[in-house]
Amino acid sequence: SYELTQPPSVSVSPGQTASITCSGAKLGDKYAYWYQQKPGQSPVLVIYHDSKRPSGIPERFSGSNSGNTATLTISGTQAMDEADYYCQAWDSSTAVFGGGTKLTVL
Amino acid sequence: QVQLVESGGGVVQPGRSLRLSCAASGFTFSTYGMHWVRQAPGKGLEWVAVVSYDGSDKYYADSVKGRFTISRDNSKNTLYLQMNSLRAEDTAVYYCAKTYSSGSLADAFDIWGQGTMVTVSS
Repeated sequence: SYELTQPPSVSVSPGQTASITCSGAKLGDKYAYWYQQKPGQSPVLVIYHDSKRPSGIPERFSGSNSGNTATLTISGTQAMDEADYYCQAWDSSTAVFGGGTKLTVL
Repeated sequence: QVQLVESGGGVVQPGRSLRLSCAASGFTFSTYGMHWVRQAPGKGLEWVAVVSYDGSDKYYADSVKGRFTISRDNSKNTLYLQMNSLRAEDTAVYYCAKTYSSGSLADAFDIWGQGTMVTVSS
């Protein structure tokens, strides 16, 4: 079965750039999606189709996808961005999530 | 506004059944594929199942195939998940989610409900 691998945790200082990676076989041939989940809340879509932002998502969130790796980048990270982030892709009519990355802003 | 509200969760014994519901409002429910996604306590997200806009196509995660059935009633704007032969490892918050693009199954989950907790325990 298809697998997506994320680092368990990433730390970033306020105002700096955070990058969260998601690795999977030929992931660049698929669309990558990213979700943000804060404690006790439902997930929120922050990036779709590799690099597009839904309405209401700040411009500091961006995405890329090539080869075997998709990357979520948060520029000028703010304290409110501290959350769990999940990548997701589709493989043979099955949705697959990465294990999630806890972003700490300190 | 666009909204999904799940219900039907609770505590159930192993081997028993439970049916979850998800009431949709604020969008044309009958034109979007719909999903169930679950999250075990302290764990990550796991996709469970998807049903096409008209109910004709359904796909399941291997972990629930043969035990869970996804369905929808477009006249009631409601999504369902029938869960049979429940196991302890099915304990999770169950979210319903809407597919981003109309008519598609394999796309982003752009709207999520608040989730309903299912606990399988004797």
